[in-house]
Amino acid sequence: DVKVTQSSRYLVKRTGEKVFLECVQDMDHENMFWYRQDPGLGLRLIYFSYDVKMKEKGDIPEGYSVSREKKERFSLILESASTNQTSMYLCASSPSGGGSGELFFGEGSRLTVL
Amino acid sequence: GQNIDQPTEMTATEGAIVQINCTYQTSGFNGLFWYQQHAGEAPTFLSYNVLDGLEEKGRFSSFLSRSKGYSYLLLKELQMKDSASYLCAVRSLGGNTPLVFGKGTRLSVIA
Repeated sequence: DVKVTQSSRYLVKRTGEKVFLECVQDMDHENMFWYRQDPGLGLRLIYFSYDVKMKEKGDIPEGYSVSREKKERFSLILESASTNQTSMYLCASSPSGGGSGELFFGEGSRLTVL
Repeated sequence: GQNIDQPTEMTATEGAIVQINCTYQTSGFNGLFWYQQHAGEAPTFLSYNVLDGLEEKGRFSSFLSRSKGYSYLLLKELQMKDSASYLCAVRSLGGNTPLVFGKGTRLSVIA
């Protein structure tokens, strides 16, 4: 069964802390994505990556960075967490090439910043 | 810019048919997706349309009109478990371009 796994389902952090959200996929997908989901705003793209060591900014990259050192792993980093980063974070992956290129999502990481 | 609109909430009765509409304005078009998301869970893929017309998959069908920038998801024989949010998403350019999502439609199925 194909899978995208996010390291933590629930996290509580304090303002100013550095936060790491990890995502691992076992489908050998080239593309990986980080979205955040907020009520009334839907899913918004933070960063994405087409290949190892490559990264592209999405629509709301401010306050975030990412790392892709291995094909299967895509990490989201909050350098200094703030309360407005309280959200549900969703990681997704998709294959390159033909087909629909549908996204496969992880279960999500709900982050609360106090 | 890109804009994807869908109703915020809908309510329908068990056993009935419901149509969830999605309109989009994007620079380029390379596919429209529908996802289902139950509360507290990850979105799961329902359908993909890249050409005009209707795609049927069991109780769910999805329709696309590229000239009108319009799609709908049709759910037949509604069941209580169909209560969920339904997300419309568009890929504007090449196959690797990230999807842009609408804000989702929360469907409540009542007895």
